Amino acid sequence: EDQVTQSPEALRLQEGESSSLNCSYTVSGLRGLFWYRQDPGKGPEFLFTLYSAGEEKEKERLKATLTKKESFLHITAPKPEDSATYLCAVRPGNQFYFGTGTSLTVIP
Amino acid sequence: GAGVSQSPSNKVTEKGKDVELRCDPISGHTALYWYRQSLGQGLEFLIYFQGNSAPDKSGLPSDRFSAERTGGSVSTLTIQRTQQEDSAVYLCASSLEVDSYNEQFFGPGTRLTVL
Repeated sequence: EDQVTQSPEALRLQEGESSSLNCSYTVSGLRGLFWYRQDPGKGPEFLFTLYSAGEEKEKERLKATLTKKESFLHITAPKPEDSATYLCAVRPGNQFYFGTGTSLTVIP
Repeated sequence: GAGVSQSPSNKVTEKGKDVELRCDPISGHTALYWYRQSLGQGLEFLIYFQGNSAPDKSGLPSDRFSAERTGGSVSTLTIQRTQQEDSAVYLCASSLEVDSYNEQFFGPGTRLTVL
């Protein structure tokens, strides 16, 4: 059965304290792993797509990596504006399966 | 418009009433998806369209839920005889094609409250 598990559920960081969010997945034939950011009251905002193990992508303070079983979203020197829920999704076919997200709070 | 739009942004209805939620995808996107997000839950897939066709309706929670898409553009999600457990944020997303590796772009959602 295709499924996605994100950890931790919630994470509190001091400003400048780097950390990583985890997305573990089980799918039959991965056609992409997607990271989104969601702010309260808004729809998810696309961040990255990763297609194959070993792939990495970066955007500002964020870096996403992918292995055959999991993906990490590394946050380097986070700022308060990075506070949001980060969602991971996998696509084995024509559907997207989302995890329940990691709620990140960055304290000034 | 530049992004996916949804209307209304908020809908409060009484139990037993029917509601219609609208999604206007990004121009040129042939794939359209509907999701439901309940408080503290992940996104629950409901249905997707490729053009006007919906080949997979397995995610619809019950036969009270239906969706249509006309002209390969605007889509409407209809919930008949609403129940309190239908209260959630309904999100729409679009992508270039279903049978591709493209990411989805989401609208702001419709917050549905059933009293």
